[in-house]
Amino acid sequence: DSGVTQTPKHLITATGQRVTLRCSPRSGDLSVYWYQQSLDQGLQFLIQYYNGEERAKGNILERFSAQQFPDLHSELNLSSLELGDSALYFCASSPPRGSTDTQYFGPGTRLTVL
Amino acid sequence: GQQLNQSPQSMFIQEGEDVSMNCTSSSIFNTWLWYKQEPGEGPVLLIALYKAGELTSNGRLTAQFGITRKDSFLNISASIPSDVGIYFCAGQVNTGGFKTIFGAGTRLFVKA
Repeated sequence: DSGVTQTPKHLITATGQRVTLRCSPRSGDLSVYWYQQSLDQGLQFLIQYYNGEERAKGNILERFSAQQFPDLHSELNLSSLELGDSALYFCASSPPRGSTDTQYFGPGTRLTVL
Repeated sequence: GQQLNQSPQSMFIQEGEDVSMNCTSSSIFNTWLWYKQEPGEGPVLLIALYKAGELTSNGRLTAQFGITRKDSFLNISASIPSDVGIYFCAGQVNTGGFKTIFGAGTRLFVKA
């Protein structure tokens, strides 16, 4: 158990809908990262937040958005869903600023768009 | 931009065999990380390497940070069926902000 929690574990929805994925980082971690992993693919970095502020953006679609709240939990919002958005979505967290940025991953949310 | 080449893409081995996989890049990294992902689960950190030349073990796993800082390898000795999964390397640089690049993964299949 990495200490990172994600809910829900599974989500099934229809095209055109909007969903929200939730992540709680490890206690004390300030950074939260979101990744997308499609079937048999690697990890695609979406976005990073640090202590409530957006820090880095990867290949995140305009239909997707995220935020990190004062209690440091984060939500990833996916809208106008398409079949191709079906994937595993992982959240990772890392400790406060130091000499390294080791990321610890949550168990993921499996999104299925029908 | 920075890229990691992870090889092999997949490996089919017999239980008891040793395994070796590696990641290479044309870029220099400050940190190398190795993760294992089992089906339907999130990647789990196996080994973190922080210094060039560093050799670190975690049970039957051994990883090294290449001297040039552009590569790393992971060895698994005496493989067992539960070693099955996808192994990801990740290289990290700190240029005022951390940037982590993940390899595409090595899929390991172990036959009992």
